[in-house]
Amino acid sequence: AQSVAQPEDQVNVAEGNPLTVKCTYSVSGNPYLFWYVQYPNRGLQFLLKYITGDNLVKGSYGFEAEFNKSQTSFHLKKPSALVSDSALYFCAVRDSPRGAGNNRKLIWGLGTSLAVNP
Amino acid sequence: SAVISQKPSRDICQRGTSLTIQCQVDSQVTMMFWYRQQPGQSLTLIATANQGSEATYESGFVIDKFPISRPNLTFSTLTVSNMSPEDSSIYLCSVPTGGGSGYTFGSGTRLTVV
Repeated sequence: AQSVAQPEDQVNVAEGNPLTVKCTYSVSGNPYLFWYVQYPNRGLQFLLKYITGDNLVKGSYGFEAEFNKSQTSFHLKKPSALVSDSALYFCAVRDSPRGAGNNRKLIWGLGTSLAVNP
Repeated sequence: SAVISQKPSRDICQRGTSLTIQCQVDSQVTMMFWYRQQPGQSLTLIATANQGSEATYESGFVIDKFPISRPNLTFSTLTVSNMSPEDSSIYLCSVPTGGGSGYTFGSGTRLTVV
């Protein structure tokens, strides 16, 4: 069965320290992987995605993620956390079977609440 | 990428009534997804709406409770019918963009049923 796991409900990090938000997935075929962020009382915002190519993907607000096929992981990282990064982070995956086109639904992780302490 | 206008942004409704949520997209899209999100929790897909055909509902969601209209390629509505406090949630619409390499979301509708 297709699934996405975010093993940590909450991550706490001090401002200026590096942060990692973990995501692992299980899908058939080659995955399309996404990270979204949701700030309090706001909508979902796209951070970055992996479709193909370089395993290290750079996205918005200084975030990056590393695709690791052997470990089926797509962890979100940032070298130096900001208090304003405090938000809810979602990992999602879309299966990409041949001929399916672009109308495939996303499979969502449960979310990780990131708290960056000043 | 596409821009979605979702209305209303929030509403407080009496139990037993219905609320219709609208999403207008600034470009034509074949598919639109409707989600529910409890505050602080993950997204749950309600249904996938394809223009010109009936929506496909996920397990646990039925058309009588969440009827969907998709009259053209830029517009869709989701109705939450016969509401109860358990329906209090955030409802979001989403469309695939960039040839399927991304997804855009509406700003959400925060529904409170009293």
